Amino acid sequence: NAGVTQTPKFQVLKTGQSMTLQCAQDMNHNSMYWYRQDPGMGLRLIYYSASEGTTDKGEVPNGYNVSRLNKREFSLRLESAAPSQTSVYFCASREVGGTDTQYFGPGTRLTVL
Amino acid sequence: DAKTTQPPSMDCAEGRAANLPCNHSTISGNEYVYWYRQIHSQGPQYIIHGLKNNETNEMASLIITEDRKSSTLILPHATLRDTAVYYCIVRPLSGGSNYKLTFGKGTLLTVNP
Repeated sequence: NAGVTQTPKFQVLKTGQSMTLQCAQDMNHNSMYWYRQDPGMGLRLIYYSASEGTTDKGEVPNGYNVSRLNKREFSLRLESAAPSQTSVYFCASREVGGTDTQYFGPGTRLTVL
Repeated sequence: DAKTTQPPSMDCAEGRAANLPCNHSTISGNEYVYWYRQIHSQGPQYIIHGLKNNETNEMASLIITEDRKSSTLILPHATLRDTAVYYCIVRPLSGGSNYKLTFGKGTLLTVNP
């Protein structure tokens, strides 16, 4: 049981390049989330997916797209990277019911030059 | 969602209890208090949550005042590994499958040897 996994762990892009951040969970959770965290700041929600086949915008969706490929996987795409997107990106999945906890992945550290 | 206020930083001696306060004076009746922590460079980790009664688990205790306008997270015997940013979050327990967490800046707890 790996929990939430993210790939890659580190990435350096040039301005204008595109990339996809991958996230997978093996806990059979319906809801999944993408957050970004800038230095010295709290986490901000980019997009979330309440269930397979649905996605919704969070606080800071501009410049990003997401795909809920299946129940396990939720990817985040940067179509044309900008230096303002330099950040640490965390994926999470949520257990509905019980403690209603969100479980976070280890993060992807992205630098856009 | 109710807004929370936490001190930006606190220190604690190793082996002593760490008491982290949180104000949530606008909390409503169906909102729970959740605590997460984030150890440097890692994803946030769930600690504990409660509605109005005090709660204890293997990680910590949560004390909520009778009027529910504030709470305290207690780490009974802090260790160096407890050095982290601690987030107090107020949210409904069951906000629907699309519910999302809102993170503030939290409290940086530094445990000193």
